[in-house]
Formats: sequence, C-alpha cells, structure tokens
Amino acid sequence: GDSVTQMEGPVTLSEEAFLTINCTYTATGYPSLFWYVQYPGEGLQLLLKATKADDKGSNKGFEATYRKETTSFHLEKGSVQVSDSAVYFCALSDFTNAGKSTFGDGTTLTVKP
Amino acid sequence: GAGVSQTPSNKVTEKGKYVELRCDPISGHTALYWYRQSLGQGPEFLIYFQGTGAADDSGLPNDRFFAVRPEGSVSTLKIQRTERGDSAVYLCASSAGQGRETQYFGPGTRLLVL
Repeated sequence: GDSVTQMEGPVTLSEEAFLTINCTYTATGYPSLFWYVQYPGEGLQLLLKATKADDKGSNKGFEATYRKETTSFHLEKGSVQVSDSAVYFCALSDFTNAGKSTFGDGTTLTVKP
Repeated sequence: GAGVSQTPSNKVTEKGKYVELRCDPISGHTALYWYRQSLGQGPEFLIYFQGTGAADDSGLPNDRFFAVRPEGSVSTLKIQRTERGDSAVYLCASSAGQGRETQYFGPGTRLLVL
C-alpha cells in the first residue's frame, strides 16, 4: 500500500537558518504530493502541492519539488522565521485509491530568535 | 466562503458510551473524508464519501465505528461502546472531487474517553 516517510524530529533552528525536511513516498499509482502545516492550536492547512513529476510547489517562501526518480518531495525554506514554528506533514493522494490521503508522522519545527 | 466546520470541538466521554461527531463540509464539495490523528502521528484515513454513499470505508478500525452522509452534505461519525484507545483528534476534510483535488481540513474534534 501507499506510505510516506518523513525525517524524524524535532528540528530546532535559529531564525534565518536554512530548512530542509525530508520526505519520501511509496505509491502504487501516480500520486499528487502535499505538504501540510499545523500551527499550535490550529487545524491542518495546505502549505503547497505538486501533481506531477518535476513540478515545484511553493508558498510563503517554502518550496518542494516532485522527484519521481527518487520518490521524494523534500520541503525547503531559505530563511526561517519564528512564526514558522509548527508541525509539518508530508502527504500523498492517489487517484487510484479513491483520493484518500496518506500522511507521514509529522516533523515538529521550532525556530528560536 | 466558510471552511469545513466540525462540532463539537472537544468531547469527553466515559468508556462504553456512544458519541457522534459532526462535519459540515465546504458547500458544493462532493467528496468528504474522515481521518483520525493520534498524538504524535499523522492523520490516518477512516472513510470516504462521494455524495451520499460511502465509497471506501476500509480505514474504519472495527464495527463500533460508523459514518453517514444522508443528504450528501453534512456527515456524522458515530462511535459505539467507546474505548480509551478511541481517544484522538477526528478530522474531517472535503474536496470538490476525488483524486488530485485538494482536500480542505476542518479544525477537528478532540475526543477523550475516560
């Protein structure tokens, strides 16, 4: 079945540091890939997505590129802010599997001033 | 417009009791999903509705869990004879269609079974 593996956390960075959160996946079909963010006390929000190979999703300075050859979708940001502190989830949605999403276990990011 | 809403936001119940969790999807969204998120983990799929019918209920853990969507809009997740292990955040999401459509999540219902 489908699965998503995220780099384990927690991750602690200083403000303006470079961020990478690794994500790899296994899917039987050709999935769409997503990053969701969950801020403290809030619900899941879509951060960015990519629907086909080599697509780059971007939002709020975050980027991730759909790499079919390495089955990866790593999240990056060049300069993190304290307000980026949150839990980040990588997920896939597979059309051949009714579109239900499969999530990684999340990576907690803490950014210190 | 309004996003996905879920009620109640928190529910505390005793072991063995029956609970109902409600989800109001985004207006016009035909697809509706229920997920369960345990502490420290990502959401896990429970059930998917396309319109009024449950198109995929393979994620329901056992027959104590049941969900309905009688008019193709609001959905109710029902849990009978609750157990302490059912404690989790129950998330609802809706999308305009299945497959590659973006799913929009509600804030969740935090269920605590004592």
